[in-house]
Amino acid sequence: KAGVTQTPRYLIKTRGQQVTLSCSPISGHRSVSWYQQTPGQGLQFLFEYFSETQRNKGNFPGRFSGRQFSNSRSEMNVSTLELGDSALYLCASSLVWDSYNEQFFGPGTRLTVL
Amino acid sequence: SQQGEEDPQALSIQEGENATMNCSYKTSINNLQWYRQNSGRGLVHLILIRSNEREKHSGRLRVTLDTSKKSSSLLITASRAADTASYFCATDRTGNQFYFGTGTSLTVIP
Repeated sequence: KAGVTQTPRYLIKTRGQQVTLSCSPISGHRSVSWYQQTPGQGLQFLFEYFSETQRNKGNFPGRFSGRQFSNSRSEMNVSTLELGDSALYLCASSLVWDSYNEQFFGPGTRLTVL
Repeated sequence: SQQGEEDPQALSIQEGENATMNCSYKTSINNLQWYRQNSGRGLVHLILIRSNEREKHSGRLRVTLDTSKKSSSLLITASRAADTASYFCATDRTGNQFYFGTGTSLTVIP
C-alpha cells in the first residue's frame, strides 16, 4: 500500500504570493491532518479534515485554509505569504480521526518564503 | 501553546547504550504517543500508551506514563546508529487534535 504523498516536496516563494500544497492520503484513509513545523515553534496543528469537512482548526490566521476532496485528497493554501511561513508542512492520514489511531505522515513540503 | 515538552533537548550516546528521554504535559490526556522523525522528514509512529496504562513495550522501546506527574518517558535499549533521529511525544487533550512536544534530538555514535 502506498504511503502518504505530498507535492511538491520543495517550494520557494516570495512574500505576498500564495501557495497550494497537496496531500494524498493512504488509500482508504478518510482523515487528513495538516501540521506546520518550524525550529522555533515545533510542530503545530493546522487543521483536520474528514469526509470533506473541516472538523478542527488550530490557532492560525485565516490566510491558512484547506479543503478535502471526495477522494480524501487534501490541499492547503496559504495566501499573502510572510517570511514566517517558511516551514516544513506535514500532512498525516488515518482511517478515521480518533486519537487511538496511528497517524501516518507524509515526507512533507519544505516551503521557503523569500 | 504546545502541550508537551521533551527533555533533554539533545542527547548524544555511544552505540549499545540506552537512551532515555522524557515528556511532560500540562493537562489531562486520553493517550500519549511517541513519534520519530529523521532529519527533516515525516514522522513515524512508534508507540501509543493509554491514560490507564503505566508501561508499554515494543521491541527495544519501553514507554512509561505517570498521569499524576503528567509525564512520560521513552527508553531505547541497546541503541544503534540508525536510532539517530528526533523523538516527539504527542498528546490528545480534547480528542480532536494532537499536541506535539518540542522534541529530543538523539545522536547515536557508532
